[in-house]
Amino acid sequence: DAGVIQSPRHEVTEMGQEVTLRCKPISGHNSLFWYRQTMMRGLELLIYFNNNVPIDDSGMPEDRFSAKMPNASFSTLKIQPSEPRDSAVYFCASSFPNQPQHFGDGTRLSIL
Amino acid sequence: AQSVAQPEDQVNVAEGNPLTVKCTYSVSGNPYLFWYVQYPNRGLQFLLKYITGDNLVKGSYGFEAEFNKSQTSFHLKKPSALVSDSALYFCAVRASYSSASKIIFGSGTRLSIRP
Repeated sequence: DAGVIQSPRHEVTEMGQEVTLRCKPISGHNSLFWYRQTMMRGLELLIYFNNNVPIDDSGMPEDRFSAKMPNASFSTLKIQPSEPRDSAVYFCASSFPNQPQHFGDGTRLSIL
Repeated sequence: AQSVAQPEDQVNVAEGNPLTVKCTYSVSGNPYLFWYVQYPNRGLQFLLKYITGDNLVKGSYGFEAEFNKSQTSFHLKKPSALVSDSALYFCAVRASYSSASKIIFGSGTRLSIRP
């Protein structure tokens, strides 16, 4: 079991640039979650998918943020244009139905 | 609306002593409760869950948690703390037994075990 795989692990870019974060969930998991973690706001749920369909995106902070899940083994979170306040650690998690979530090790994003 | 509270930002315990990390919740209907641990530069790891049944739930690394319906609490405990238990601990609640419903995480409690 390779676990949830996120890439890149670290991303440093200048404000205004497009940022794409990637996630490969554990095979067979049908739910996928994107979180953001900061010192000030703690762990925030941004969006989650069930069977590749977005169920709740009420946590997405602005229209600059978008997420897709084109198939069961891949998801992206995109920020365009990026801003310094988007700097955070972004986590992806996945789960089987009715089972606890498994988290990736996150992408540490720094927007200069 | 469901919510979870971790009243302590930090808990400090001497190695070998018992530890408790507090969690209270608010949810309509039956609560489904979880504890996760986060080590530096890592994602959250599942420790234990309460769905139904015995109020005392045993989990990974010697941790256990006690569900108390009347006090709406789900405190994490360990009889004898280890230095390696030092980490950030999150309590979480889900309103129904379905991964399709939203799980709400608490703000986290930093546990520090001194040698």
